[in-house]
Amino acid sequence: RKEVEQDPGPFNVPEGATVAFNCTYSNSASQSFFWYRQDCRKEPKLLMSVYSSGNEDGRFTAQLNRASQYISLLIRDSKLSDSATYLCVVNTGLTGGGNKLTFGTGTQLKVEL
Amino acid sequence: DGGITQSPKYLFRKEGQNVTLSCEQNLNHDAMYWYRQDPGQGLRLIYYSQIVNDFQKGDIAEGYSVSREKKESFPLTVTSAQKNPTAFYLCAISDRDDGYTFGSGTRLTVV
Repeated sequence: RKEVEQDPGPFNVPEGATVAFNCTYSNSASQSFFWYRQDCRKEPKLLMSVYSSGNEDGRFTAQLNRASQYISLLIRDSKLSDSATYLCVVNTGLTGGGNKLTFGTGTQLKVEL
Repeated sequence: DGGITQSPKYLFRKEGQNVTLSCEQNLNHDAMYWYRQDPGQGLRLIYYSQIVNDFQKGDIAEGYSVSREKKESFPLTVTSAQKNPTAFYLCAISDRDDGYTFGSGTRLTVV
């Protein structure tokens, strides 16, 4: 079983739609959680951290369910510029301390006119 | 301009050749990482360093070597022992809130 699993997509949605991505992780000791965005042939960039209480940043809402080991990202009112690959990322830590991020394979989103 | 810089952007390697990818940062971070990205496989950890003069193998270290002689620099050498080196290589520093900031990456192609 992969440490972080995501549906690869692609998700093709019309502009203005609401789209949700889900992710599961296997390491129950994981410490922190993130969504990264990666544009084609570019480096990943941090979109938002994910907290158990849920957090929102404009049109983006992230949720974490530690009991189910499940992370979600909701994008409302999709824009053409949201087209990218969204990576679910889990900090599984390093032996002796320090951060080690483990990445899902990403979910591709295409927003269309 | 502060941040993390990788070079070159594109690199072509002949069979049997060693090549070195550069990663430099001026953000004074202790921890640095090298990842490899292949289509459909996500990012995989090659090596990491949490302090100068120390580094550890990640999940796929075979065929790679690193050094950490200065805090600012963490170069990665792809040796001839790496059987499938064609990939997108990403260097990262461990940033605030436990996340990473990545360099812009190096695309390595074997010709």
